[in-house]
Amino acid sequence: AQSVTQPDIHITVSEGASLELRCNYSYGATPYLFWYVQSPGQGLQLLLKYFSGDTLVQGIKGFEAEFKRSQSSFNLRKPSVHWSDAAEYFCAVLGQAGTALIFGKGTTLSVSS
Amino acid sequence: DAGVIQSPRHEVTEMGQEVTLRCKPISGHNSLFWYRQTMMRGLELLIYFNNNVPIDDSGMPEDRFSAKMPNASFSTLKIQPSEPRDSAVYFCASRGQGEQPQHFGDGTRLSIL
Repeated sequence: AQSVTQPDIHITVSEGASLELRCNYSYGATPYLFWYVQSPGQGLQLLLKYFSGDTLVQGIKGFEAEFKRSQSSFNLRKPSVHWSDAAEYFCAVLGQAGTALIFGKGTTLSVSS
Repeated sequence: DAGVIQSPRHEVTEMGQEVTLRCKPISGHNSLFWYRQTMMRGLELLIYFNNNVPIDDSGMPEDRFSAKMPNASFSTLKIQPSEPRDSAVYFCASRGQGEQPQHFGDGTRLSIL
């Protein structure tokens, strides 16, 4: 069965430090992968997506993610975190039905000053 | 551009009452999704529609839950009768054709007392 694992429930990073959020997926074919961010009381906003091509994808707000097929991973990175990046981050894979997303449990990011 | 619009944003009601959540997808999108988010289970797909037709409702918890999409610009999720364990944030999302991501509404925070 398809699944997404985000091993870190909560991460705290100092403002200005680099960030990496981990995501591992289980999927039989070439996956379509996504990262979404959710601020408190808000819906999910798409940060970036990978469908095919270059395995390093750039997103909004200075985020990037790298698809590594050999590791079944799609980790999210940002070189310098801002306090406004504090939120919950969700990794997702498009299910085999081709339309519904399967989400990880999310990683909560706190930013310390 | 108007995003996915959900109403109400918050709903508090007593158990046993009927609850109706509403969603207006992005114009031109042909797929619509209902998700439920709880602390324990994360984001779960309840049902999704393609061209107004329900495709997969296997995520609907039980017969108390029903969803309709009478036209391309409106969908409802109804719970009757409601129970305290239905308390959650319910999200609606829509998606266009082809390799497009899902766009989420801001959600309805539902509390059943």
